[in-house]
Amino acid sequence: EAQVTQNPRYLITVTGKKLTVTCSQNMNHEYMSWYRQDPGLGLRQIYYSMNVEVTDKGDVPEGYKVSRKEKRNFPLILESPSPNQTSLYFCASSWGAANEKLFFGSGTQLSVL
Amino acid sequence: GNSVTQMEGPVTLSEEAFLTINCTYTATGYPSLFWYVQYPGEGLQLLLKATKADDKGSNKGFEATYRKETTSFHLEKGSVQVSDSAVYFCALRRGTGNQFYFGTGTSLTVIP
Repeated sequence: EAQVTQNPRYLITVTGKKLTVTCSQNMNHEYMSWYRQDPGLGLRQIYYSMNVEVTDKGDVPEGYKVSRKEKRNFPLILESPSPNQTSLYFCASSWGAANEKLFFGSGTQLSVL
Repeated sequence: GNSVTQMEGPVTLSEEAFLTINCTYTATGYPSLFWYVQYPGEGLQLLLKATKADDKGSNKGFEATYRKETTSFHLEKGSVQVSDSAVYFCALRRGTGNQFYFGTGTSLTVIP
């Protein structure tokens, strides 16, 4: 089954404790991206990747890191989380053409205390 | 720049009512336009899309037409059901790039 898998589903942590949210897709997509969803703000793009070793900043990259060492994986790293990064996070992937849709993971609800 | 503006919610309708959710966009080049739907506790899933001017996307009774002259992509459904209760997002993908831009979402509740 074609899917985007992100883990964990829920995460509670404390300020400053490094964490990684994993994302994996099994569709051989070139394009992968991370979004955060906040009430009243909709989805905002954090980072995206056009292919292996190619990443670029989205609209809200501050405080986040990503890497794309393999085509299927695109982890999101918070080196020193802060409470303003409490949010619902989604990973998504797509083929590279401009008319192709995004496939979304189920989301990770992160709370930073 | 590129952006999507969609109708503020929440929207509450009775079953079988007509639905319109407005969406307008600003974009360079020739974007593709999408409507995504998010059911409670789930990720977004594609509802419909249109890739060029005057295209009409349709799915599950929902329709939207890509209007370049008014830079709009309004979502419509003739008769909503309780199962249509969800949050709807309008989005664009730039024709020459790979960033997606989403609206803020419109929450729809359909009551029996």
